[in-house]
Amino acid sequence: DADVTQTPRNRITKTGKRIMLECSQTKGHDRMYWYRQDPGLGLRLIYYSFDVKDINKGEISDGYSVSRQAQAKFSLSLESAIPNQTALYFCATSPAGGFGEAFFGQGTRLTVV
Amino acid sequence: QQPVQSPQAVILREGEDAVINCSSSKALYSVHWYRQKHGEAPVFLMILLKGGEQKGHDKISASFNEKKQQSSLYLTASQLSYSGTYFCGTEFDGGTSYGKLTFGQGTILTVHP
Repeated sequence: DADVTQTPRNRITKTGKRIMLECSQTKGHDRMYWYRQDPGLGLRLIYYSFDVKDINKGEISDGYSVSRQAQAKFSLSLESAIPNQTALYFCATSPAGGFGEAFFGQGTRLTVV
Repeated sequence: QQPVQSPQAVILREGEDAVINCSSSKALYSVHWYRQKHGEAPVFLMILLKGGEQKGHDKISASFNEKKQQSSLYLTASQLSYSGTYFCGTEFDGGTSYGKLTFGQGTILTVHP
């Protein structure tokens, strides 16, 4: 099994719909992250969480929300999806004590039509 | 502020060398390098902490110039397996910046036989 699992792997949704992307990890890491990848823009940080009660906005949090249900689970929600949220989304984890090696999930390709 | 990577793309023949640069406008605590193959998750290569250390394994190494806030990734005697997109990730020095990584836009490396 993968260390970091994202579901779904692919999703097509309509404008205005609410959608949730889920991430679970078996690394035992405290820190979890959601990134968005667009061609030519690299990976941009949406939200990050240092533990269950510590959630922080990243560079591009507008239009997104998150929930840290447990140490191992971190979900990203698009409350009302719009076409420019079409992108590849990655969840990542890293150990506490500075940004150590990060482990990424396989990504969720989201298309908003 | 995203770090700036250069070049944006590079094409090599097997056995040739390449250098990828990463430059930040903000003081850095650490620089991270990742490689992403098409359709896959980014994979960790190495971390460099401020202090100007150089790291490497096999034929891939990197340096970090703390004074210039720049890092370079060196790939020597390139192999076909080196093809992919390389990202630098920067952890800014100070305040609430620790523990989150800001990625550059990526450098596409293609190695031909």
